[in-house]
Amino acid sequence: QKEVEQDPGPLSVPEGAIVSLNCTYSNSAFQYFMWYRQYSRKGPELLMYTYSSGNKEDGRFTAQVDKSSKYISLFIRDSQPSDSATYLCAMSAGFYLLGSGNQFYFGTGTSLTVIP
Amino acid sequence: KAGVTQTPRYLIKTRGQQVTLSCSPISGHRSVSWYQQTPGQGLQFLFEYFSETQRNKGNFPGRFSGRQFSNSRSEMNVSTLELGDSALYLCASSLRETQETQYFGPGTRLLVL
Repeated sequence: QKEVEQDPGPLSVPEGAIVSLNCTYSNSAFQYFMWYRQYSRKGPELLMYTYSSGNKEDGRFTAQVDKSSKYISLFIRDSQPSDSATYLCAMSAGFYLLGSGNQFYFGTGTSLTVIP
Repeated sequence: KAGVTQTPRYLIKTRGQQVTLSCSPISGHRSVSWYQQTPGQGLQFLFEYFSETQRNKGNFPGRFSGRQFSNSRSEMNVSTLELGDSALYLCASSLRETQETQYFGPGTRLLVL
């Protein structure tokens, strides 16, 4: 079983729609959760960063973490054609052993297309 | 503040050759990680450096190696290239030793013929 599972899509929505992207994970030690947006032939860009459970909102983007269900979501309101990209979830347990470094686990990404 | 930079951006090599990729982290960031991204496997962790020391290593063969310099810049080297090494190689930097999150560079796209 992979550490992080993410539906690859592709997902196609009309402009203005609410988009829901999701990831599930198996490691209960994960406590840092991130969403990245990656345009074609570019590096991932950090969109949202959340520590532990709860919601975080930034403009049209809302990240939700439900640690009890091991489930995280990213909602995009009023979606725009410029939101068309691949969205990657990422998570880590955190740096709890001095000197060991931290390791991040990524989903395979969901491809989103917003149609004008 | 400038972001993570990677050079070169594109590279074409033939099987058996070796290649060196370079990464300059965000100013002040001391942790640098390297990833390989392919359509089939997604992002796979190669290794992570902090203060010139490799702290963590992914499950890649010894042909993949890296180092970090005193100014936090990092290089990765792949020797005896194989066709399967064709990928986007991404570098990510973190501000703190504890690496709560990472910021990625644009990547180096390597094609092995």
